Amino acid sequence: DVKVTQSSRYLVKRTGEKVFLECVQDMDHENMFWYRQDPGLGLRLIYFSYDVKMKEKGDIPEGYSVSREKKERFSLILESASTNQTSMYLCASSLSVGEQFFGPGTRLTVL
Amino acid sequence: KNEVEQSPQNLTAQEGEFITINCSYSVGISALHWLQQHPGGGIVSLFMLSSGKKKHGRLIATINIQEKHSSLHITASHPRDSAVYICAVRSGGGADGLTFGKGTHLIIQP
Repeated sequence: DVKVTQSSRYLVKRTGEKVFLECVQDMDHENMFWYRQDPGLGLRLIYFSYDVKMKEKGDIPEGYSVSREKKERFSLILESASTNQTSMYLCASSLSVGEQFFGPGTRLTVL
Repeated sequence: KNEVEQSPQNLTAQEGEFITINCSYSVGISALHWLQQHPGGGIVSLFMLSSGKKKHGRLIATINIQEKHSSLHITASHPRDSAVYICAVRSGGGADGLTFGKGTHLIIQP
């Protein structure tokens, strides 16, 4: 079974803090994705990566950056957290153009 | 940018009923996904399809490429089917991320 894990299920941070969300997959997938999910807006793509050190902006990249130094790990970075970044963050991975496998999500609250 | 619309937004039905959830999209796609999300947040991929029909147990997914429309059907619904069902499309042929509908919140009452 493909397993996608995220570093935390719940996280509380203060405005202005630098926040790291980490995602690890164990199936040697090329592609990894970060989404955020908000009530009434659904899931939206923040960034994705199709190879080590490669990244592409999604629909809402502002305020975020990413890092992919190893194939299995994809990190989402909030350089200076703001209250409007309070959300559920979901990581996913896939082979080529195949099915996406999702992590359990991190519910981030920024105070 | 693709727009994905789902209907209905909310659906409450009795156990045993046949359920249909609809999804339409605005621009040609390379694949359409149906996902299930239970309370607590975990998302599971149910189907990925680019044409025709797929069946898995009591779940059936169909897609009509010409009409830009897909349906998810649940036969003999059960309370454990209660979840949010999300339609998502991939527009590009590469590693693009998905564009999601807002989901259908399904409740099956015993």
